[in-house]
Amino acid sequence: AQSVTQLDSQVPVFEEAPVELRCNYSSSVSVYLFWYVQYPNQGLQLLLKYLSGSTLVKGINGFEAEFNKSQTSFHLRKPSVHISDTAEYFCAVTDNNNDMRFGAGTRLTVKP
Amino acid sequence: DTEVTQTPKHLVMGMTNKKSLKCEQHMGHRAMYWYKQKAKKPPELMFVYSYEKLSINESVPSRFSPECPNSSLLNLHLHALQPEDSALYLCASSPRDHSGNTIYFGEGSWLTVV
Repeated sequence: AQSVTQLDSQVPVFEEAPVELRCNYSSSVSVYLFWYVQYPNQGLQLLLKYLSGSTLVKGINGFEAEFNKSQTSFHLRKPSVHISDTAEYFCAVTDNNNDMRFGAGTRLTVKP
Repeated sequence: DTEVTQTPKHLVMGMTNKKSLKCEQHMGHRAMYWYKQKAKKPPELMFVYSYEKLSINESVPSRFSPECPNSSLLNLHLHALQPEDSALYLCASSPRDHSGNTIYFGEGSWLTVV
């Protein structure tokens, strides 16, 4: 079965600094990878996804992620964060069996 | 339009009550899901319906009973819940067309069991 590991439970950064949230996956079959964001007291919003093709994926709000098959990673990056990016970020993996599994989440806190 | 609508947004119920959570999507998606999320934890899969048939049940206690009346609606019937069942319940849907199974979530229903 597939799974993901988010290596950092909390990431504090200052406004306008770059940020990287790390995600590693494990699976014995081809997978699809996702990043979701959850703002306080809200549901999950899709940031971006990797299905196939180009390994660099661009998403909403200036985020991007790079799929690295050899390192089984799918790290999320943003070159300059804003206060409004403060949220919980979840990496997720699925195969063709409708079975999406989430990482434990990374709490991004952007400080002024 | 990627919208999954859940009602109610907040629900407080006693341990002897019977209540239901409702979910609706009009995107033509053929897979629908219930997830449970405790505070500061990731969502945990409970049930998956594919083409209106239950395809995954993650060993959820029988006090939670899902129902999929049609391809647009998904219900979660609640009966004799425990305080530890208090959580955010997220409904989601996906196209189920081998397009990577992108899953779209609703805003969730906050359930408190007293």
